[in-house]
Order: sequence, then C-alpha cells, then structure tokens
Amino acid sequence: AQKITQTQPGMFVQEKEAVTLDCTYDTSDPSYGLFWYKQPSSGEMIFLIYQGSYDQQNATEGRYSLNFQKARKSANLVISASQLGDSAMYFCAMREGGAGGYQKVTFGTGTKLQVIP
Amino acid sequence: DTGVSQDPRHKITKRGQNVTFRCDPISEHNRLYWYRQTLGQGPEFLTYFQNEAQLEKSRLLSNRFSAERPKGSFSTLEIQRTEQGDSAMYLCASSGQFSTDTQYFGPGTRLTVL
Repeated sequence: AQKITQTQPGMFVQEKEAVTLDCTYDTSDPSYGLFWYKQPSSGEMIFLIYQGSYDQQNATEGRYSLNFQKARKSANLVISASQLGDSAMYFCAMREGGAGGYQKVTFGTGTKLQVIP
Repeated sequence: DTGVSQDPRHKITKRGQNVTFRCDPISEHNRLYWYRQTLGQGPEFLTYFQNEAQLEKSRLLSNRFSAERPKGSFSTLEIQRTEQGDSAMYLCASSGQFSTDTQYFGPGTRLTVL
C-alpha cells in the first residue's frame, strides 16, 4: 500500500481564489508528522507547513493551512488567495516514528498546481 | 543564515564515468539526508547521517553509490560507473538534533548520464 497518496496529478485555480490539494496517508505508527513542500520549476523543495499526529489544532502558516482529519488519515493543504507565484509542484510527505533515531520521510507523487491570471 | 547548498547544480557525464556531488547543510544541523528524485515522482530516500555516522541506507543505494560526511559537516555522494538509469535530481536535506525536526532541502544536483 502507498504510504502517501496524492490523487490529483494536476490542478488549476484562478488567481486570488482558494485551492485544496488532497493527501491521504497510511501508517500504523501512533507518532508521525505530516509535511507539505513546494517545488518550483527550479527544483528546490521548499518547506511550507507541518502537522504532528498529536497536535490538537490544524497547522497554519500565512496563506497555507493544513486540514488534518486524523480518523480519515487525510492531511489536505489549503492555499488561500492564490498568487501566480504559487504555480509549482506540491508534495505531501510523512515522517514515521517518534523522538530518537532516524526519521523516515516518505513523499507522495505530487500535485502540479497552475494559477491562472 | 544560509540554507542548504549543493554543488554542482547540473552535471552531464558519459556512461561509465564517476561523479561526485557535494552538500553543505545548514550550519547548526547535525542530521543530513540524501534523496533521489526522478521525473514525475517525489523524492526517494537514499541515506542518512547523524553527525559523521551513516546510520541508514536505502536498498536503492547500490554498491556503486557511496556517501561520506567525514567531519560531520559537509557530505559527498559519489556514483561510480554511472548508468543512464542514474539520471535524476539528487537532493540533500538537513535537520536539527531532534528526529522530529523538519528537513530543509538544498537546490539539488541534476545529473544527466549520456
């Protein structure tokens, strides 16, 4: 089974509108973390937002928020007020395991977001 | 504070040649990771260092691949006898002392094997 599933290979959004990028995950570890990264065409992976499995509230970072639904094992990224510079690949990732030792991070296959003027 | 840096950014080589990539992590980070990313895929884990110790290697890391972090600072990834299938983006990331710390990535080295 896939650890991280991103079912939307590509998405379009109108500038200034909000968009939701889907991510579901699979783990039996009670302690895990969920990340979203942005990868522009230049190739660098840019960290956007993090949600820990024990966090009670959904994470927010500026225009980014993570809609964490633990029972459904989903961690969707919401981008509000889209900008042209948001056009990029977006990867959902999961870290399994708690403190100590190696933190294995598994990435999904990504969603290509295109913002339309 | 500078982020993670990688050198070179692009490398074109002929099949059978050896290549070496360098990664300089964020200065206070003691954990360093190498990933490989092929077209249309997310990054795949290759190997992990905590300080100078290489603690984890993926089965993706064949015996043609070797990574070092001799002084616990920068790291090198060498690929010997390159094959066309090695063509990919090689990403380096670093994180702080806690295993729950976020990994921050460098710009990557794009390798093309002709």
